[in-house]
Amino acid sequence: AQSVTQLGSHVSVSEGALVLLRCNYSSSVPPYLFWYVQYPNQGLQLLLKYTTGATLVKGINGFEAEFKKSETSFHLTKPSAHMSDAAEYFCAVSDTGNQFYFGTGTSLTVIP
Amino acid sequence: GAGVSQSPSNKVTEKGKDVELRCDPISGHTALYWYRQSLGQGLEFLIYFQGNSAPDKSGLPSDRFSAERTGGSVSTLTIQRTQQEDSAVYLCASSLEGQPNEKLFFGSGTQLSVL
Repeated sequence: AQSVTQLGSHVSVSEGALVLLRCNYSSSVPPYLFWYVQYPNQGLQLLLKYTTGATLVKGINGFEAEFKKSETSFHLTKPSAHMSDAAEYFCAVSDTGNQFYFGTGTSLTVIP
Repeated sequence: GAGVSQSPSNKVTEKGKDVELRCDPISGHTALYWYRQSLGQGLEFLIYFQGNSAPDKSGLPSDRFSAERTGGSVSTLTIQRTQQEDSAVYLCASSLEGQPNEKLFFGSGTQLSVL
């Protein structure tokens, strides 16, 4: 079975600072990788995904992530944090099956 | 509808009672997923439907949990004889074809509290 590890259940950054949320996965086959965001009292929505091709993936709201096969990582970054980025972020992985495996989430706080 | 709809949004029940949670996926989406979200636990996979069939029931935590989907659309998750450890947010998601590289569309969830 797949597994996803998100280092840091809580991350705080200052407004305008770099956001880095870490995700590592275990997979015996090339995976599909996703980042979802959950704003308070809302459902999860897709930020970005990696399926094939370019390993640097750009998503909504200025976020991007890089698939590094050698490190089995898919870290999420944003150059400059905004107050509206405060939310819960989930990394997920799937393979040739039909299950999506989610990490335990990272709560991002943005300090004004 | 425009998105995945779940009802009720909140449910408070007494231990031992049965509850039914409903999910109305995006029209035309063939795949439907149920997850459970507990504090600090991430999303726990419960069950997956392709059409009306559930090829993967591996995540259902006990035989008190069951789910069905009718007409390739609405799904109901039933929990019998609820226990306090069933308290969580139950999330439903759908996707167009159920492929592993597809985006999941999530509902806002049902917050279940078992007293």
